Amino acid sequence: GAGVSQSPRYKVAKRGQDVALRCDPISGHVSLFWYQQALGQGPEFLTYFQNEAQLDKSGLPSDRFFAERPEGSVSTLKIQRTQQEDSAVYLCASSFQTSGADEQFFGPGTRLTVL
Amino acid sequence: AQSVAQPEDQVNVAEGNPLTVKCTYSVSGNPYLFWYVQYPNRGLQFLLKYITGDNLVKGSYGFEAEFNKSQTSFHLKKPSALVSDSALYFCYSGTYKYIFGTGTRLKVLA
Repeated sequence: GAGVSQSPRYKVAKRGQDVALRCDPISGHVSLFWYQQALGQGPEFLTYFQNEAQLDKSGLPSDRFFAERPEGSVSTLKIQRTQQEDSAVYLCASSFQTSGADEQFFGPGTRLTVL
Repeated sequence: AQSVAQPEDQVNVAEGNPLTVKCTYSVSGNPYLFWYVQYPNRGLQFLLKYITGDNLVKGSYGFEAEFNKSQTSFHLKKPSALVSDSALYFCYSGTYKYIFGTGTRLKVLA
Protein backbone atom coordinates (compact mmCIF):
# COMPACT_ATOMS: atom_id res chain seq x y z
CA GLY A 1 0.00 0.00 0.00
CA ALA A 2 0.92 3.61 -0.37
CA GLY A 3 0.65 4.54 3.28
CA VAL A 4 0.49 3.25 6.82
CA SER A 5 -2.66 1.31 7.53
CA GLN A 6 -4.20 0.36 10.86
CA SER A 7 -6.96 -2.03 11.79
CA PRO A 8 -9.50 -2.02 13.11
CA ARG A 9 -10.35 1.65 12.72
CA TYR A 10 -12.77 1.47 15.65
CA LYS A 11 -12.87 -0.95 18.54
CA VAL A 12 -15.31 -1.12 21.41
CA ALA A 13 -14.32 -3.34 24.30
CA LYS A 14 -15.88 -4.16 27.62
CA ARG A 15 -13.74 -3.45 30.63
CA GLY A 16 -11.50 -6.43 31.28
CA GLN A 17 -11.36 -7.66 27.69
CA ASP A 18 -8.13 -8.04 25.76
CA VAL A 19 -7.67 -6.17 22.47
CA ALA A 20 -5.14 -6.34 19.63
CA LEU A 21 -4.46 -3.43 17.32
CA ARG A 22 -2.62 -3.94 14.04
CA CYS A 23 -0.29 -1.66 12.11
CA ASP A 24 0.98 -2.17 8.57
CA PRO A 25 3.84 0.26 7.97
CA ILE A 26 5.12 1.49 4.65
CA SER A 27 7.15 -1.24 3.00
CA GLY A 28 10.86 -0.88 3.65
CA HIS A 29 10.49 1.44 6.61
CA VAL A 30 12.86 0.43 9.35
CA SER A 31 11.36 2.40 12.25
CA LEU A 32 7.91 1.94 13.72
CA PHE A 33 6.30 3.94 16.50
CA TRP A 34 3.13 3.60 18.58
CA TYR A 35 1.48 6.61 20.18
CA GLN A 36 -1.60 7.08 22.35
CA GLN A 37 -3.73 10.17 21.76
CA ALA A 38 -6.38 11.00 24.33
CA LEU A 39 -9.21 13.31 23.35
CA GLY A 40 -8.01 16.89 23.01
CA GLN A 41 -4.39 15.99 23.71
CA GLY A 42 -1.22 15.55 21.73
CA PRO A 43 -0.02 12.05 20.91
CA GLU A 44 2.06 10.43 23.65
CA PHE A 45 4.87 8.03 22.82
CA LEU A 46 4.35 4.39 23.75
CA THR A 47 7.07 2.34 22.08
CA TYR A 48 9.59 2.23 19.22
CA PHE A 49 10.85 -0.60 17.00
CA GLN A 50 13.87 -0.70 14.77
CA ASN A 51 13.10 -3.62 12.47
CA GLU A 52 12.03 -6.40 14.84
CA ALA A 53 13.88 -5.03 17.86
CA GLN A 54 11.88 -3.09 20.42
CA LEU A 55 14.44 -0.46 21.37
CA ASP A 56 12.30 1.76 23.56
CA LYS A 57 9.19 0.81 25.50
CA SER A 58 9.47 3.50 28.11
CA GLY A 59 6.09 4.99 27.23
CA LEU A 60 3.99 1.88 27.81
CA PRO A 61 1.76 2.89 30.73
CA SER A 62 1.56 -0.49 32.43
CA ASP A 63 2.45 -4.14 32.02
CA ARG A 64 -0.99 -4.63 30.48
CA PHE A 65 0.41 -3.09 27.30
CA PHE A 66 2.55 -5.20 25.02
CA ALA A 67 3.81 -4.62 21.48
CA GLU A 68 5.58 -6.80 18.97
CA ARG A 69 6.96 -6.67 15.44
CA PRO A 70 8.24 -10.21 14.96
CA GLU A 71 9.31 -10.01 11.30
CA GLY A 72 10.23 -6.37 11.20
CA SER A 73 7.14 -5.35 9.27
CA VAL A 74 3.61 -5.62 10.71
CA SER A 75 3.25 -4.65 14.34
CA THR A 76 0.60 -5.47 16.92
CA LEU A 77 -0.18 -3.54 20.07
CA LYS A 78 -1.98 -5.66 22.63
CA ILE A 79 -3.78 -4.38 25.67
CA GLN A 80 -4.79 -6.90 28.29
CA ARG A 81 -7.64 -6.45 30.78
CA THR A 82 -8.67 -3.11 29.27
CA GLN A 83 -9.64 -0.27 31.59
CA GLN A 84 -11.70 2.83 30.87
CA GLU A 85 -8.60 5.00 30.99
CA ASP A 86 -7.27 3.07 27.99
CA SER A 87 -9.91 4.73 25.81
CA ALA A 88 -7.99 6.77 23.24
CA VAL A 89 -6.86 6.82 19.64
CA TYR A 90 -3.82 4.64 19.06
CA LEU A 91 -1.56 5.91 16.30
CA CYS A 92 1.08 4.00 14.43
CA ALA A 93 3.84 5.69 12.44
CA SER A 94 6.77 4.50 10.39
CA SER A 95 9.89 6.12 9.04
CA PHE A 96 12.50 5.04 6.53
CA GLN A 97 15.55 5.58 8.68
CA THR A 98 16.50 4.83 12.25
CA SER A 99 17.26 8.38 13.29
CA GLY A 100 14.93 10.63 15.21
CA ALA A 101 15.70 13.17 12.49
CA ASP A 102 13.53 11.34 9.97
CA GLU A 103 9.94 12.36 9.33
CA GLN A 104 7.26 9.88 10.31
CA PHE A 105 4.29 8.73 8.26
CA PHE A 106 1.18 8.18 10.32
CA GLY A 107 -1.70 5.79 9.97
CA PRO A 108 -5.32 6.90 10.50
CA GLY A 109 -5.38 5.49 14.02
CA THR A 110 -7.55 3.02 15.90
CA ARG A 111 -10.14 4.57 18.18
CA LEU A 112 -10.53 2.35 21.23
CA THR A 113 -13.52 2.82 23.49
CA VAL A 114 -13.64 0.82 26.70
CA LEU A 115 -17.06 0.59 28.31
CA ALA B 1 13.33 16.68 31.57
CA GLN B 2 12.80 17.21 27.87
CA SER B 3 9.64 18.95 26.77
CA VAL B 4 7.83 20.71 23.97
CA ALA B 5 5.34 23.46 24.73
CA GLN B 6 2.64 25.06 22.62
CA PRO B 7 1.35 27.96 24.71
CA GLU B 8 -1.77 28.65 22.66
CA ASP B 9 -4.69 26.23 22.49
CA GLN B 10 -6.23 28.14 19.62
CA VAL B 11 -5.14 30.79 17.14
CA ASN B 12 -7.61 32.75 15.05
CA VAL B 13 -6.48 34.67 11.99
CA ALA B 14 -8.26 36.31 9.07
CA GLU B 15 -7.74 34.85 5.62
CA GLY B 16 -4.91 36.59 3.84
CA ASN B 17 -3.19 37.68 7.04
CA PRO B 18 0.10 36.20 8.24
CA LEU B 19 -0.12 33.46 10.84
CA THR B 20 2.18 32.27 13.60
CA VAL B 21 1.81 29.15 15.72
CA LYS B 22 4.21 29.11 18.64
CA CYS B 23 6.40 26.30 19.95
CA THR B 24 9.15 26.30 22.56
CA TYR B 25 11.36 23.37 23.44
CA SER B 26 13.62 22.08 26.15
CA VAL B 27 15.85 19.28 24.90
CA SER B 28 19.40 18.27 25.56
CA GLY B 29 21.86 18.27 22.70
CA ASN B 30 21.05 19.35 19.18
CA PRO B 31 17.28 19.41 18.74
CA TYR B 32 15.41 17.61 16.00
CA LEU B 33 12.20 19.62 15.65
CA PHE B 34 9.17 19.01 13.49
CA TRP B 35 5.74 20.40 12.72
CA TYR B 36 2.86 18.07 11.92
CA VAL B 37 -0.72 18.94 10.94
CA GLN B 38 -3.88 16.98 11.67
CA TYR B 39 -6.93 17.62 9.53
CA PRO B 40 -10.35 16.32 10.66
CA ASN B 41 -10.72 12.59 10.03
CA ARG B 42 -7.23 12.38 8.56
CA GLY B 43 -3.92 11.20 9.93
CA LEU B 44 -1.08 13.39 11.07
CA GLN B 45 0.92 14.80 8.17
CA PHE B 46 4.49 16.04 8.15
CA LEU B 47 4.94 19.75 7.35
CA LEU B 48 8.61 20.52 7.93
CA LYS B 49 11.61 19.85 10.13
CA TYR B 50 14.76 21.43 11.50
CA ILE B 51 17.78 19.22 11.95
CA THR B 52 20.75 21.46 11.31
CA GLY B 53 21.81 24.30 9.05
CA ASP B 54 19.72 27.28 8.02
CA ASN B 55 17.50 28.50 10.85
CA LEU B 56 14.63 29.18 8.45
CA VAL B 57 13.14 25.99 7.07
CA LYS B 58 10.49 25.78 4.39
CA GLY B 59 7.90 23.08 4.17
CA SER B 60 4.67 21.98 2.57
CA TYR B 61 1.72 24.23 1.64
CA GLY B 62 3.75 27.43 1.96
CA PHE B 63 4.58 26.98 5.64
CA GLU B 64 7.93 27.83 7.13
CA ALA B 65 9.44 27.77 10.60
CA GLU B 66 12.23 29.63 12.28
CA PHE B 67 14.59 27.87 14.67
CA ASN B 68 15.81 30.24 17.39
CA LYS B 69 18.39 28.68 19.68
CA SER B 70 18.67 31.57 22.11
CA GLN B 71 14.91 31.66 22.67
CA THR B 72 14.54 27.88 22.35
CA SER B 73 11.67 28.41 19.94
CA PHE B 74 10.52 26.90 16.69
CA HIS B 75 7.51 28.95 15.59
CA LEU B 76 5.48 27.96 12.53
CA LYS B 77 4.64 30.74 10.11
CA LYS B 78 2.85 31.43 6.86
CA PRO B 79 2.78 34.81 5.09
CA SER B 80 -0.86 34.58 3.95
CA ALA B 81 -3.35 32.25 5.63
CA LEU B 82 -5.98 30.25 3.75
CA VAL B 83 -9.27 28.96 5.12
CA SER B 84 -8.05 25.49 4.17
CA ASP B 85 -5.16 25.87 6.64
CA SER B 86 -7.65 25.47 9.49
CA ALA B 87 -6.49 22.38 11.35
CA LEU B 88 -4.72 21.13 14.46
CA TYR B 89 -0.97 21.73 14.49
CA PHE B 90 1.56 19.84 16.59
CA CYS B 91 5.16 20.66 17.36
CA TYR B 92 7.35 17.57 17.91
CA SER B 93 10.85 16.74 19.08
CA GLY B 94 12.62 13.56 17.99
CA THR B 95 15.80 14.12 20.01
CA TYR B 96 16.44 11.10 22.25
CA LYS B 97 12.79 11.09 23.30
CA TYR B 98 9.73 11.38 21.08
CA ILE B 99 7.62 14.26 22.37
CA PHE B 100 4.60 16.02 20.91
CA GLY B 101 3.27 19.35 22.07
CA THR B 102 -0.34 19.59 23.18
CA GLY B 103 -1.43 21.04 19.85
CA THR B 104 -2.75 24.39 18.63
CA ARG B 105 -6.00 24.65 16.78
CA LEU B 106 -5.69 27.13 13.93
CA LYS B 107 -8.87 28.75 12.70
CA VAL B 108 -8.65 30.88 9.56
CA LEU B 109 -11.70 33.08 9.14
CA ALA B 110 -13.01 34.03 5.71
